[in-house]
Amino acid sequence: AQRVTQPEKLLSVFKGAPVELKCNYSYSGSPELFWYVQYSRQRLQLLLRHISRESIKGFTADLNKGETSFHLKKPFAQEEDSAMYYCALNGMDSSYKLIFGSGTRLLVRP
Amino acid sequence: GEEVAQTPKHLVRGEGQKAKLYCAPIKGHSYVFWYQQVLKNEFKFLISFQNENVFDETGMPKERFSAKCLPNSPCSLEIQATKLEDSAVYFCASSQSRNTIYFGEGSWLTVV
Repeated sequence: AQRVTQPEKLLSVFKGAPVELKCNYSYSGSPELFWYVQYSRQRLQLLLRHISRESIKGFTADLNKGETSFHLKKPFAQEEDSAMYYCALNGMDSSYKLIFGSGTRLLVRP
Repeated sequence: GEEVAQTPKHLVRGEGQKAKLYCAPIKGHSYVFWYQQVLKNEFKFLISFQNENVFDETGMPKERFSAKCLPNSPCSLEIQATKLEDSAVYFCASSQSRNTIYFGEGSWLTVV
């Protein structure tokens, strides 16, 4: 079964501290993984996708197939990073739909 | 358009009333998706379309929910006889490929 697990509902850090938002997935094939961010009930915005291996707003994420993980990291958190972060999986089946994790709220304190 | 446009932003309905939400996908995108986000922040997939054809409707509560994507018209999601538990934000998204799915700002439905 396809599943995305984000074990932390809330992650609170101080400004300048490193951040790691955890994401584990369950999928038998080779999925595509994404991170989406949602600021204050605004639209979901694509932050990262594993296939492009890019860094956006200082965030990076590496797909670890052995551990079936796609953790999101940033070395120095900023207050404006406070938001909801969703990890999502797109299976290589025909449906094209995204399967979302339950989300992690990141709170960066001054 | 360059963004997925959803209307209305907010909708309040009494229990038992009908609710209809609209979505204009990004021009050129063939796939449209509807998601429901309830208070616990989980996104539930409802239905997807490829052009005007239903692509995947495995998430749709078929008794009261229906959706359409007709040519030259915004896509729509309709809930007949709304219930309190239908209160949620309904997000529409569109894509041209499986790699990137773009979301609208959502429509807040409150059933009272």
